[in-house]
Amino acid sequence: GEDVEQSLFLSVREGDSSVINCTYTDSSSTYLYWYKQEPGAGLQLLTYIFSNMDMKQDQRLTVLLNKKDKHLSLRIADTQTGDSAIYFCAETLYGNNRLAFGKGNQVVVIP
Amino acid sequence: DGGITQSPKYLFRKEGQNVTLSCEQNLNHDAMYWYRQDPGQGLRLIYYSQIVNDFQKGDIAEGYSVSREKKESFPLTVTSAQKNPTAFYLCASTPPGGGPGEPQHFGDGTRLSIL
Repeated sequence: GEDVEQSLFLSVREGDSSVINCTYTDSSSTYLYWYKQEPGAGLQLLTYIFSNMDMKQDQRLTVLLNKKDKHLSLRIADTQTGDSAIYFCAETLYGNNRLAFGKGNQVVVIP
Repeated sequence: DGGITQSPKYLFRKEGQNVTLSCEQNLNHDAMYWYRQDPGQGLRLIYYSQIVNDFQKGDIAEGYSVSREKKESFPLTVTSAQKNPTAFYLCASTPPGGGPGEPQHFGDGTRLSIL
């Protein structure tokens, strides 16, 4: 089944790195995504990784996928105040546009 | 600019009333979705539509109804049968195929509150 879990809260100092973790249970997932939600707004796609990849880097973002442990992480380097938001991981099945979302992780960046 | 427009941004409902939330997209996307977001619970799928004149229930469809008469529009009605409607509602859409990099585009949401 689809069951995505995330921890709830992280505070980080500006300039430090932040790491957000996510676990999922559906081993047939083909794509895994990270979304960002700023207060009162919708979700913005940050990055995604295909399930046959271990790592993907996109500017300050690094996604790590451990398929054996069904563990997905997002590392934000040089965290800025504009990175304060809720971050959601999500997974989709091949041929299915539905997404299963985690509960989100609130990141607060302290100046 | 292309995008998804949800209106209104804030909506208040009296007990026993039905209310309709609007979602319009000019992205020429086929599939559209409605999610409900509650604090600490992430997003839960209410209804989705893969094509005009067709829609399916999501995980929490009870107390809600939708229609998909036009490709651009996917309104959600919160009926009086929905006993706990206070939440943030998000509409999303995907292009045909829904490949990586463009899985779902989201509107800015409607916050519904009970008076």
